Amino acid sequence: SQELEQSPQSLIVQEGKNLTINCTSSKTLYGLYWYKQKYGEGLIFLMMLQKGGEEKSHEKITAKLDEKKQQSSLHITASQPSHAGIYLCGADSGGATNKLIFGTGTLLAVQP
Amino acid sequence: DGGITQSPKYLFRKEGQNVTLSCEQNLNHDAMYWYRQDPGQGLRLIYYSQIVNDFQKGDIAEGYSVSREKKESFPLTVTSAQKNPTAFYLCASSFMALAKNIQYFGAGTRLSVL
Repeated sequence: SQELEQSPQSLIVQEGKNLTINCTSSKTLYGLYWYKQKYGEGLIFLMMLQKGGEEKSHEKITAKLDEKKQQSSLHITASQPSHAGIYLCGADSGGATNKLIFGTGTLLAVQP
Repeated sequence: DGGITQSPKYLFRKEGQNVTLSCEQNLNHDAMYWYRQDPGQGLRLIYYSQIVNDFQKGDIAEGYSVSREKKESFPLTVTSAQKNPTAFYLCASSFMALAKNIQYFGAGTRLSVL
């Protein structure tokens, strides 16, 4: 079965610094989704990637899917306290269902 | 406003008791999902439904039951058979478009055992 591994598990950065979170799949990715979660709340959809080499940006967050479609990265430029939370990647599990599998998440803290 | 509403936000279960978590969506989505989130384990799929009156077991369905009598509603019952129910429960919904499966989530229900 497919597994998603996220790294690092947790991250503390100073406000204004850049950071990168990685999501690695054991199988080819056909749809990769990035979500953000504040503690005790639901997941907020950030971006979806489908094609090898694809890159999308929203405000200061950029997500990329590598050419081989087995790894994705989420890059935050000039981090702010509002970026703090848990970032999760999810992937289509394949087949005829819409099931997603999720990584274990990366906890980001941004120090003012 | 369109969205997914979960209730209650906090729930306490006594030994041997069944409890039901509510999930309602007004996004006209066909598919709905229930996940369980434990610290350090990410999200695990409990049950999902792609159409009214039909649902399938996810990876950790034991001790849980669901129904899908209406498109908008997908309640989850945590039965007394679930021996470790303390967790954060998340409901999600999506359109049935393969390879573009953006799931939208509710705010969650935190269940604790008394």
